[in-house]
Amino acid sequence: DTEVTQTPKHLVMGMTNKKSLKCEQHMGHRAMYWYKQKAKKPPELMFVYSYEKLSINESVPSRFSPECPNSSLLNLHLHALQPEDSALYLCASSQVNRGGSEQYFGPGTRLTVT
Amino acid sequence: LAKTTQPISMDSYEGQEVNITCSHNNIATNDYITWYQQFPSQGPRFIIQGYKTKVTNEVASLFIPADRKSSTLSLPRVSLSDTAVYYCLVGSINTDKLIFGTGTRLQVFP
Repeated sequence: DTEVTQTPKHLVMGMTNKKSLKCEQHMGHRAMYWYKQKAKKPPELMFVYSYEKLSINESVPSRFSPECPNSSLLNLHLHALQPEDSALYLCASSQVNRGGSEQYFGPGTRLTVT
Repeated sequence: LAKTTQPISMDSYEGQEVNITCSHNNIATNDYITWYQQFPSQGPRFIIQGYKTKVTNEVASLFIPADRKSSTLSLPRVSLSDTAVYYCLVGSINTDKLIFGTGTRLQVFP
């Protein structure tokens, strides 16, 4: 199984809502990532978990809160978002957290903040 | 961190070979070069990775000159389904950071 799954596929939320994005992989990968991608732009790294510990936080606003409950799951908790946070949120995993590791991406969650 | 530069877009016709070049003048000794393909509303997909000289797999070749300041992704005999955005990625084995390049939008015509 070389698949990374993400739920939900689409999410519309108001600025006062609290929601969560979920990501799952069963490839035994020990590194998991969250990226944000705006239209016609490259993915931007947000967070990296390595062996279930947060190893990179790219100065992301606190309204985004990552969580890695175990080695297969990655969550992104959302609270008090702004309309400019609307984007495609991508989850990825790799065997280890190294610059040369092949990353497997999920299909993404399309988030719209109203 | 090595910054990458790619052409914004390229056009080709079915059956032709397409070469997409990525410039990474500040590449470090421990950096690898990786290329990803992305279709609309999907996550990027790994194509190929290399460190130096030439790497070939079943879908593409990657050419890296001796100075490693650039790399070229070669797609042999493209088809309409190769229409996508292609990203060049430079990542170090010594850091956790990965930075995608600006991407090249390839359009293949019949």
